[in-house]
Parts: sequence; structure tokens; C-alpha cells
Amino acid sequence: EADIYQTPRYLVIGTGKKITLECSQTMGHDKMYWYQQDPGMELHLIHYSYGVNSTEKGDLSSESTVSRIRTEHFPLTLESARPSHTSQYLCASSALPDRGSPSYEQYFGPGTRLTVT
Amino acid sequence: KNQVEQSPQSLIILEGKNCTLQCNYTVSPFSNLRWYKQDTGRGPVSLTIMTFSENTKSNGRYTATLDADTKQSSLHITASQLSDSASYICVVSDRGSTLGRLYFGRGTQLTVWP
Repeated sequence: EADIYQTPRYLVIGTGKKITLECSQTMGHDKMYWYQQDPGMELHLIHYSYGVNSTEKGDLSSESTVSRIRTEHFPLTLESARPSHTSQYLCASSALPDRGSPSYEQYFGPGTRLTVT
Repeated sequence: KNQVEQSPQSLIILEGKNCTLQCNYTVSPFSNLRWYKQDTGRGPVSLTIMTFSENTKSNGRYTATLDADTKQSSLHITASQLSDSASYICVVSDRGSTLGRLYFGRGTQLTVWP
């Protein structure tokens, strides 16, 4: 079982509200990721971080923002939620790959199911 | 364009039966291929990971195969159990970037009936 946590697990909120989805991991991983997943669809990378004070946008354009002030913590914020933001948000982390092996494992949190009404 | 295609989209089998899920990919340059299991409302959990030189890997009742020449992989589940009901996602990583970009399939939704 991976030591990566997300809160809240479920969130129903009205349009225009500011929300922050929390993600934390206790594995000391440098890399962290946020994915968005709609039912029956593939995961889309929306943000990632190589380490503290490093954040990058992913493949899928998102109005959300992220921060990485501490290694273990990678929160995602929506300043003004809209119904189009309704989705499942998955956080993941991984160690930096070893020199001898390009393979590394990504560990996923349980996800936050966000519904914006 | 790097893509990962899975089939079938959904599958229903009876408890105790075997099944095989397919994954075709066009990701290049290839680094590794993983199979994840995702229970409803949960995050994906890794089942297997295979690099270019590996053509089969087992994890209990799960056996994954990889043919890097034809860019195909399969996941075989033996003696299915009710708890196997989940989405199985094929994920391919490239080695063309420092991020080791992951390309996700849409998954095969497996339902095991008693």
C-alpha cells in the first residue's frame, strides 16, 4: 500500500468557490503529479513537480494551480470552480530514476471526486 | 502520435474463469510498460512493470506479456475472483524526456460475476 494521501475524498461545491485539493506523501519522493480522469477515459497529466519550488504544467490545459513548498506536500487550487471542473483528480509520486535503470514506479493516491454544481 | 489502445473496452466473465486483456501502443522510444488495476473510486495500483528486454512477468494470478517488436502487451488473469472486478489500465513510458512521460490507455472494465 502506497503512503500517499488525498483529502477530501469527495467534494461537492457551488460555482465560483475557491477550493484546494490536498496531496501528501511520506515516501520522500521528489517527483509528484496531478492527473485528471473522467469516467471511462484515460488519465491526463495536468501538473507535475520535480521537487521543492519546481512546478510545471502537464499535457492537459487546466485552470488549476499547484505549489510545492515542502517535499511531501503538493496541493492543487482552483480559484473559481466551474461545472466543467467536475472530475476525478488523482495525485501521484515517484522517486527520481536511478542512473542504472530508467524505470521508476508511480504511486497513486485514492483520488478526490470533485463535483461543481 | 504516441498512443495506447486497449481492448476490449469492457468484459464480463464468471468467477473462476480466465481472461486476457490486450494493449497495443505506438509510443517511441519505448522505455517500459506497466499494467495498473484501478478499483472504482480509487487510484490505480501497479500490477507489473516490464522493460524492453522482458517478455513476461507474473504477479500472483496476473501474468503480463510484452512483444516489443509488434508493440503489443497482454494481461492474463487466471482463476478470476470477484475482487478482480476493476478497470485494468495499460501505461507506456517513453525515454525521450527526463520526465519519462507516461501514456495511459482508457482501460478495460472487467466485471466478474459469481
